[in-house]
Amino acid sequence: GENVEQHPSTLSVQEGDSAVIKCTYSDSASNYFPWYKQELGKGPQLIIDIRSNVGEKKDQRIAVTLNKTAKHFSLHITETQPEDSAVYFCAASRTGTASKLTFGTGTRLQVTL
Amino acid sequence: NAGVTQTPKFRILKIGQSMTLQCAQDMNHNYMYWYRQDPGMGLKLIYYSVGAGITDKGEVPNGYNVSRSTTEDFPLRLELAAPSQTSVYFCASSYSANEQFFGPGTRLTVL
Repeated sequence: GENVEQHPSTLSVQEGDSAVIKCTYSDSASNYFPWYKQELGKGPQLIIDIRSNVGEKKDQRIAVTLNKTAKHFSLHITETQPEDSAVYFCAASRTGTASKLTFGTGTRLQVTL
Repeated sequence: NAGVTQTPKFRILKIGQSMTLQCAQDMNHNYMYWYRQDPGMGLKLIYYSVGAGITDKGEVPNGYNVSRSTTEDFPLRLELAAPSQTSVYFCASSYSANEQFFGPGTRLTVL
């Protein structure tokens, strides 16, 4: 089955700096890669996703890049703000699997003033 | 829309007890999922359903059962609770192969 590895497990940045979280996946047939943000005591919430026919996607301060050859994808957050502090999860799935997601182990991002 | 709702929010069980975690969604989503989240770990899929009357095992189904009699509801049953089932449980739903919407979670402790 699919295996998703995520690094780093914790990340501390100063407000205004950029943050990068990286994930690798094992199943070359995976074609959907979402990123979820989980705030304390809440369920994960989708913040951005990318499909395998696209190399990069941006949404304001958030961007995701995908390298299918190397089987890795990354989340980039620019101009970080205190409200970006949360746990971020990457995930992967492929068509025909009922959208079953395999999650990474999460990155705790702390944005300090 | 209320989205995905889960009850209860918290529960403490004794070893060997049983309980049902409730999950409901009002978005008319076909797909529903149950995950568990252990500290420092990602979410692991327990069971999923692609429509009413259809369920299938995920990565960690042992000790759990599900049913899907309606599109809206997807309860998770724990029989003979064990300490290893102490976790936070999340229910999610999606429309086809798109974004999964998660509920607020149920924190379960088995003592």
